[in-house]
Amino acid sequence: AQTVTQSQPEMSVQEAETVTLSCTYDTSESDYYLFWYKQPPSRQMILVIRQEAYKQQNATENRFSVNFQKAAKSFSLKISDSQLGDAAMYFCAYLNRDDKIIFGKGTRLHILP
Amino acid sequence: EPEVTQTPSHQVTQMGQEVILRCVPISNHLYFYWYRQILGQKVEFLVSFYNNEISEKSEIFDDQFSVERPDGSNFTLKIRSTKLEDSAMYFCAIQGGREETQYFGPGTRLLVL
Repeated sequence: AQTVTQSQPEMSVQEAETVTLSCTYDTSESDYYLFWYKQPPSRQMILVIRQEAYKQQNATENRFSVNFQKAAKSFSLKISDSQLGDAAMYFCAYLNRDDKIIFGKGTRLHILP
Repeated sequence: EPEVTQTPSHQVTQMGQEVILRCVPISNHLYFYWYRQILGQKVEFLVSFYNNEISEKSEIFDDQFSVERPDGSNFTLKIRSTKLEDSAMYFCAIQGGREETQYFGPGTRLLVL
C-alpha cells in the first residue's frame, strides 16, 4: 500500500519570502500522479499543482513549483513571494492505480505580515 | 477547472438518523469519488463510482454507506444510521479537466449528536 508522509506539521514564512513544504511517499508503482492541495479555513480542497511521475520536468503554476525526485520518492512544494492568502493547510497527495487519492497529514502554513 | 457543488453545506443530525449528502457536477462526468475528513485529521478515501457502479471502496465504507446516481446528474452518499464518529467533512470529487486529476467540491460538514 502507498503512503504519503509530510514531516512538517506547521511552518511559518514572512510575507514575500519563499517557503518549501516537504513530502515523501512510498510506492511500488512506476506510473502515478502527485498533487498538492490547499485547504484554507473554509475547508474547501483546492488543487494547487500536479505532477505526472513519467515526466522528469518539475511542474510549475505561477508562484508554485515542485521539486520532484522520483528515485528519492520526494515531492516538495515551493511557494515563492508568499502572500497572506497562501495561509492554509497543504496536503500532499498520491493518486494510485485504483484512482484512489492517498493524502498526507498536512502542513499548516502561516504567513507572517 | 470542473465545478462541483455539494448540498447541504452543513448538516446536524441525531445519532441513528439517515442522512443523504448530494454532489452536483456542473457538467457531465463519469468518475465520482467520496472522501471524508474527520476534524484535525487527514482526508480519507471512501468510495469511487464509475459508470453507475462502485469501482473501489475503502474499509471505512461499510454496509451503512451507499452511493447512487439517482437521476443521472446528482451523485449521493447515504449514511443509513449515523454514529457519532461519522461527524466529519465529506467531500465529493470528480475526475475531469486535466487527465487523472480529481477536483473537489466545497464539502458538507456533518455533525452527529
